This record gives sequence, structure tokens and C-alpha cells, in this order.
Amino acid sequence: KAGVTQTPRYLIKTRGQQVTLSCSPISGHRSVSWYQQTPGQGLQFLFEYFSETQRNKGNFPGRFSGRQFSNSRSEMNVSTLELGDSALYLCASSLVASTSTNEKLFFGSGTQLSVL
Amino acid sequence: DQQVKQNSPSLSVQEGRISILNCDYTNSMFDYFLWYKKYPAEGPTFLISISSIKDKNEDGRFTVFLNKSAKHLSLHIVPSQPGDSAVYFCAASGTRAQKLVFGQGTRLTINP
Repeated sequence: KAGVTQTPRYLIKTRGQQVTLSCSPISGHRSVSWYQQTPGQGLQFLFEYFSETQRNKGNFPGRFSGRQFSNSRSEMNVSTLELGDSALYLCASSLVASTSTNEKLFFGSGTQLSVL
Repeated sequence: DQQVKQNSPSLSVQEGRISILNCDYTNSMFDYFLWYKKYPAEGPTFLISISSIKDKNEDGRFTVFLNKSAKHLSLHIVPSQPGDSAVYFCAASGTRAQKLVFGQGTRLTINP
């Protein structure tokens, strides 16, 4: 069974540009969550999608958005990039909503975004 | 508002000894706790979990302890092996928490 796939692995952008990251969950998983990892901040929750609906959103500005398609694949978009957006963006999938009892997240390898 | 805190950014332990990683939380609504392990250039992988109805859960060399009154959990690795060198994240959730909340991570280095 294939794991969570994130593309691209690395991205270099300049300030003001926008970027779209892609995530394909494990087959059969309906929930996709996005996290931002920066040194010293751990994994900061961005949002979660379940059956194409945004179920929850973290404390990030509106420049961060996402969506989920009918095949459960998800995309995350960041507009008007800032230097502080440089981070590892991780996608995780789960069978049901991530906060369901005993539910585990399965993470992809992430997309390393560098904003110059 | 950091609801899950790992106050030690790094920990160095000799091979064969016990590694103890600590985690504190503030939200009393959390009732399920997990530990994830992350190697460089890879995503975190699930290691072990514990429900609030228990105070201990063991899986091979890994044991997680939960002290609800102190809002504290710890991960014990015995004996520590070089392959255990990684970043460890604790995480917490609850039926009303709406999301899985992670700590900042602790980088564990096992020295031969």
C-alpha cells in the first residue's frame, strides 16, 4: 500500500510569489491535514479536510488556503509569499477525522519551501 | 498559546542507557496522547500512544507514562540504540480538541 505522497519535495520561490503544494493520501483515507514545521516551533496545524470539506483551521493568515478533491487528494496554496513562510510543509492522512478516538496520522515526507 | 510543550530541545544519551523524553500539556480536555518519531528528510512516524484511562503503555523498548494530575507524559526508551537518534514529537487530542496538537520536538542523539 503506497504511503502519503507529497510533491514537490523542494521548492524555491521569491517574496510575493504564490505556491501550490500537493498531497496524495493513503488509498482509502478520507482525511488530510496540513502542518508547518519550523525549527523551535514544532508542527503547527494549518487545516484539515475531510470528504472535501474543511473541518478545522489553525491560526494562519488567509494567505494560506487549501482544498480537497473527490479522490481525497489535497492541495495547499500560499499566496504573496513572505520570508517567514520558509518551512517544511507536511501533509498527513488518516482514515477518519484526525481527532477521532485512537486515530493515527500517517505523514508524507514533506515539501521544503524556501522563500528568498 | 502552546498547549503541548517539550521543554528540552535536545537530549544526548549513551547507547544502552535509558532515554527519557518529557512533555507537558495545559488543556485538561486532552484525553489521547501520541509520540511520533522523525528522521531527517522524512515525515514523522507514529511510535506509541496512550489513552487517558491508562497511566502506562508499553511496546517493546518504548514505554509511555501519563500523569494526568500533573498534565505530564514521558517516553522511556530502554535500552537506547543508535537508530533511535531522531526528533521526537509528542501530540495530544481530545473529542472536543478539534485538532491534533504537537509539541516543539526533542532531538535525541544516542552516542555509541
